[in-house]
Amino acid sequence: AQSVTQLGSHVSVSEGALVLLRCNYSSSVPPYLFWYVQYPNQGLQLLLKYTSAATLVKGINGFEAEFKKSETSFHLTKPSAHMSDAAEYFCAVSSGGSYIPTFGRGTSLIVHP
Amino acid sequence: SQTIHQWPATLVQPVGSPLSLECTVEGTSNPNLYWYRQAAGRGLQLLFYSVGIGQISSEVPQNLSASRPQDRQFILSSKKLLLSDSGFYLCAGTGTVSEKLFFGSGTQLSVL
Repeated sequence: AQSVTQLGSHVSVSEGALVLLRCNYSSSVPPYLFWYVQYPNQGLQLLLKYTSAATLVKGINGFEAEFKKSETSFHLTKPSAHMSDAAEYFCAVSSGGSYIPTFGRGTSLIVHP
Repeated sequence: SQTIHQWPATLVQPVGSPLSLECTVEGTSNPNLYWYRQAAGRGLQLLFYSVGIGQISSEVPQNLSASRPQDRQFILSSKKLLLSDSGFYLCAGTGTVSEKLFFGSGTQLSVL
């Protein structure tokens, strides 16, 4: 079985501030982990993914995430927020035992000028 | 590259009317396909998934059904829509569990 927990349904930051979106997962087998971004009235786009290579994964738009097995976490960070980063962010997990990717409930990132 | 075409983008239907949403896939063969629903301000709810032609698994009991008549075609249907069927519907696909999901642009369904 696999599951994802995203802490905080809303995160508010000032433009230029650090972005930290939290994701914890559970999986009985080694997981594949993903972060997706969704802009209003659009489908989801992949930001980055972890597939058992480097634990620090760099994605698009300056985002990165670190896989920490001991903490079962895959938090998403960006050093400096831009107004264009305002969107809904979803963490997801897949594993070899399931055809079904499991998504977290999403975190809405709000960026203030 | 893999692409999902999903239409229409917006749909307004009266209660009790039928529904047919279609998505088609380009750039890959034998994908796993998924229908998700996203209610306003909430996460993604998996409705159906398919690992091949004619193979449909339902994740939640509901008023909707799905079909996969061809490898790259996935259809979401209802015989009689309910108010609670309103939401944002997303079709998605992937080749393997280690690959990303690629999403269609979604259909905003309003049942009135």
